[in-house]
Amino acid sequence: GIQVEQSPPDLILQEGANSTLRCNFSDSVNNLQWFHQNPWGQLINLFYIPSGTKQNGRLSATTVATERYSLLYISSSQTTDSGVYFCAVLYGNKLVFGAGTILRVKS
Amino acid sequence: DVKVTQSSRYLVKRTGEKVFLECVQDMDHENMFWYRQDPGLGLRLIYFSYDVKMKEKGDIPEGYSVSREKKERFSLILESASTNQTSMYLCASSAAGPGNTIYFGEGSWLTVV
Repeated sequence: GIQVEQSPPDLILQEGANSTLRCNFSDSVNNLQWFHQNPWGQLINLFYIPSGTKQNGRLSATTVATERYSLLYISSSQTTDSGVYFCAVLYGNKLVFGAGTILRVKS
Repeated sequence: DVKVTQSSRYLVKRTGEKVFLECVQDMDHENMFWYRQDPGLGLRLIYFSYDVKMKEKGDIPEGYSVSREKKERFSLILESASTNQTSMYLCASSAAGPGNTIYFGEGSWLTVV
């Protein structure tokens, strides 16, 4: 099956700092999504991004499908950005998740 | 507003008990999913359903079964709970098609003692 690897596994930022999260996948995929899980467990879809670049406020994402990776950029981080960030790829008809990046933003 | 509701947020069950986790969505979505989440492993797919009475095994179906008698409801059943099934369980739904957003419930924390 497909492998989805996220890096780094853990990240601690000072409020206001920028960061880049990476997602590598081992095979061609139909789509790629980024999710944020808040400290209470709720998962929210951030981006559906099979290729190209999208921006939403302080967040942006880029997927280079031919090179099998995606990047999530967080600028001017805030404490509310803390949580776990997952990428997930659609492989066949299954959505396969990476292990996640745990982000902690300190004030 | 989009809503996926899981009936129980926190459960404690004994080994060998039969456990039902219920999930209801109000978006008329065709697809529904059950995942379990464990530290360092991300979310792993247990079962999914793309229509009423239809189900397909995910990556870790052993020890679980599901039921989808109505479009809005997808139930996960642990026939005989074991301690290695202690986990966070997440239900999700999406419209049919690869480009549609998937919506998650708030999760059910199950502890089997």
